[in-house]
Amino acid sequence: DAKTTQPPSMDCAEGRAANLPCNHSTISGNEYVYWYRQIHSQGPQYIIHGLKNNETNEMASLIITEDRKSSTLILPHATLRDTAVYYCIVTSKGGTSYGKLTFGQGTILTVHP
Amino acid sequence: ETGVTQTPRHLVMGMTNKKSLKCEQHLGHNAMYWYKQSAKKPLELMFVYSLEERVENNSVPSRFSPECPNSSHLFLHLHTLQPEDSALYLCASSQDFGVETQYFGPGTRLLVL
Repeated sequence: DAKTTQPPSMDCAEGRAANLPCNHSTISGNEYVYWYRQIHSQGPQYIIHGLKNNETNEMASLIITEDRKSSTLILPHATLRDTAVYYCIVTSKGGTSYGKLTFGQGTILTVHP
Repeated sequence: ETGVTQTPRHLVMGMTNKKSLKCEQHLGHNAMYWYKQSAKKPLELMFVYSLEERVENNSVPSRFSPECPNSSHLFLHLHTLQPEDSALYLCASSQDFGVETQYFGPGTRLLVL
């Protein structure tokens, strides 16, 4: 799997958009970008995933650059309940990483009032 | 989210005890997973079951013994654990093995004395 790099921490004001970056410069053509988050003392929660097109769901938007070497998760109107560790994961549909999620250290997002 | 439940939520055990962690998923999924999350370390995949058959054992010591009697239930039997096994144990499920959209339970916080 391609390695991902995320900033260790970010802050965001409540009601503002939170933009969480992720670098995955070694991503290959069949690898997807997944985002999960983990609120303190809870299990991780799936947010969104994409291959090359931008994606949006009720939780967030995922913007993937044209060269696919980086992506940004956007929480359009952050709330205090969005304070969590956000994980960017790159995984393929085949090979030794088939069916596996490899979690890194993630980005600690703190939403302030 | 109550799609994946885990019991107990907290467990304290001595090194000579035998205990079991239980996971149940109500989502009709065919794959189930055990992860371990130690303090300040990323989540580590331990075991994967697909249609009640173990498809992954990620070099986990034999003092951890998984059991999957049916596609809705997953157990982790613990015996002669060490203090360094203290961690948050997370269960997850996905529609099928190879699908990276996984749904996690709240975890069992284990303390080995």
